[in-house]
Amino acid sequence: QTVVTQEPSFSVSPGGTVTLTCGLSSGSVSTSYYPSWYQQTPGQAPRTLIYSTNTRSSGVPDRFSGSILGNKAALTITGAQADDESDYYCVLYMGSGMVFGGGTKLTVL
Amino acid sequence: EVQLVESGGGLVQPGGSLRLSCAASGFTFSSYWMSWVRQAPGKGLEWVANIKQDGSEKYYVDSVKGRFTISRDNAKNSLYLQMNSLRAEDTAVYYCAREDWNHYFDYWGQGTLVTVSS
Repeated sequence: QTVVTQEPSFSVSPGGTVTLTCGLSSGSVSTSYYPSWYQQTPGQAPRTLIYSTNTRSSGVPDRFSGSILGNKAALTITGAQADDESDYYCVLYMGSGMVFGGGTKLTVL
Repeated sequence: EVQLVESGGGLVQPGGSLRLSCAASGFTFSSYWMSWVRQAPGKGLEWVANIKQDGSEKYYVDSVKGRFTISRDNAKNSLYLQMNSLRAEDTAVYYCAREDWNHYFDYWGQGTLVTVSS
């Protein structure tokens, strides 16, 4: 089965910029996979951040942006804040279902 | 306001069965694909299954094929997940999620915990 890859962990300083990526074990991520991104804090349901590669969900600050970088989908946080410390998941649409990446634990310190 | 409320979780023995429900409100339920997503304790999110608006198409992750069945009742605005032959590795919080036409999850329930243990 398809494996979607994400960095297990990442660290960013407050005010800094970080880019998280979402790749495929075999092949390249394109807009045809409709990459989406979700933020989750412990004990909470996920919150939708980005869909269709680069469209921000309602209410999401513009410091979150999505793109395709090379052969991967990417989530960039510009001007990171303390409450951005969360787990981040990407999802790819496979035509017959969805596949989540393993998630990235982002630390802001 | 869109609301998704899961129920039916609990403790079940290995090999047992459980039926999860998701009550939807605040939108035209019959117009959307719906999914179940789970999260094992301390682990990441995993898509489990989805179902087309009229129930004519259903897809599953390989690990639950032949054991889980997703269904819906549009008259009752409800989504279901029948889980049979449960294993310890099925222990997770199960979320109901609405799929937008752009193939992403735009609304989530708060989840229901399923624990498979003897």
